[in-house]
Amino acid sequence: IAGITQAPTSQILAAGRRMTLRCTQDMRHNAMYWYRQDLGLGLRLIHYSNTAGTTGKGEVPDGYSVSRANTDDFPLTLASAVPSQTSVYFCASSPGTDDNEQFFGPGTRLTVL
Amino acid sequence: GQNIDQPTEMTATEGAIVQINCTYQTSGFNGLFWYQQHAGEAPTFLSYNVLDGLEEKGRFSSFLSRSKGYSYLLLKELQMKDSASYLCAVSDSNYQLIWGAGTKLIIKP
Repeated sequence: IAGITQAPTSQILAAGRRMTLRCTQDMRHNAMYWYRQDLGLGLRLIHYSNTAGTTGKGEVPDGYSVSRANTDDFPLTLASAVPSQTSVYFCASSPGTDDNEQFFGPGTRLTVL
Repeated sequence: GQNIDQPTEMTATEGAIVQINCTYQTSGFNGLFWYQQHAGEAPTFLSYNVLDGLEEKGRFSSFLSRSKGYSYLLLKELQMKDSASYLCAVSDSNYQLIWGAGTKLIIKP
């Protein structure tokens, strides 16, 4: 693994189903983030983690949950998907939480029908 | 509220210069970032400004005026591969990035 990876690349999901988007980084970065990107809107922060074992809510956390059991992994779970969660999801990481460039994964394109 | 404004779309000619503006109103300021995003790809870092003035990096330069809540990204000697969206983001008082919607730059031959 080099950098930050996400899985799956894309997914079509029926409304009401549970879905976990995976994110793994091998840069030993402390901070990790989940964003969604919708046409005409800026990236919006869903949840973040400043270090392993801690998580926080971003701008649009409703309907999503995260965990940070270790430094490398930061999965995002949709407990019961709704069509408004159709979006492109990006995971990102940074060495620390201040003044740091964020490195992005390739994204997951999710469609909820 | 927090707000980042940048033009939705701009068109420029190959070999020319283009300036993409960004104005912001945020709760606190800990720096401003510019990212490039090609269609269907992830954003990649271009520049970071925390002090007033111009930062130059090859063909790309970024300027910041904190008193005016204003930044611009200057791209010189435009190439077709510069066709992309350019995202402005401000680090707020909690060091969280607030993102603009992005400026789609179209380069014509």
